[in-house]
Amino acid sequence: GAVVSQHPSRVICKSGTSVKIECRSLDFQATTMFWYRQFPKQSLMLMATSNEGSKATYEQGVEKDKFLINHASLTLSTLTVTSAHPEDSSFYICSPGTGASNYGYTFGSGTRLTVV
Amino acid sequence: GESVGLHLPTLSVQEGDNSIINCAYSNSASDYFIWYKQESGKGPQFIIDIRSNMDKRQGQRVTVLLNKTVKHLSLQIAATQPGDSAVYFCAEKNKAAGNKLTFGGGTRVLVKP
Repeated sequence: GAVVSQHPSRVICKSGTSVKIECRSLDFQATTMFWYRQFPKQSLMLMATSNEGSKATYEQGVEKDKFLINHASLTLSTLTVTSAHPEDSSFYICSPGTGASNYGYTFGSGTRLTVV
Repeated sequence: GESVGLHLPTLSVQEGDNSIINCAYSNSASDYFIWYKQESGKGPQFIIDIRSNMDKRQGQRVTVLLNKTVKHLSLQIAATQPGDSAVYFCAEKNKAAGNKLTFGGGTRVLVKP
């Protein structure tokens, strides 16, 4: 599977601030990046799908202006949680895909976001 | 996959015994299934996959069974080891949904020494 690097692994921020999470595919070109959110003791829920060079596609109920996604290159996608609130505290995980395997076998190591 | 709940079902198994983890999926159009293992604080780790034109696939110490008639998927782990303690998720994909993965609710496996 692909080698994925996700940073930071943990971040604590104050309410109202923004946090950027980076996800890099190290050994292949990711035309697609899937962003998931996972609350404690729950499953992974897809938030959005980013495509290199075009706008991201958001799942129902996910605010695109709050969760800004940028897929600037085939190796880097970022998720920015803007004006974070305590309810945004969660585990965020990325998963790259290619045109041939858009479903994504491999996941990043995740980012634990705590908003205080 | 199964709906997300507020707690995870737990399977306790004695070290050395076999484990069977079950997953019900809802979309009969799903054509590809994956089992993931997730340890605390980490991202999901790919274990094994199976396509809808198969009913069984084996890996190292793991076997996935697919019953499309009742829309049921299972993961069997042979000779369970302490390192197998984790949360296990099934995931399904179908082309009609844009090849996105939909995850089941997860099962926690606790291996007793």
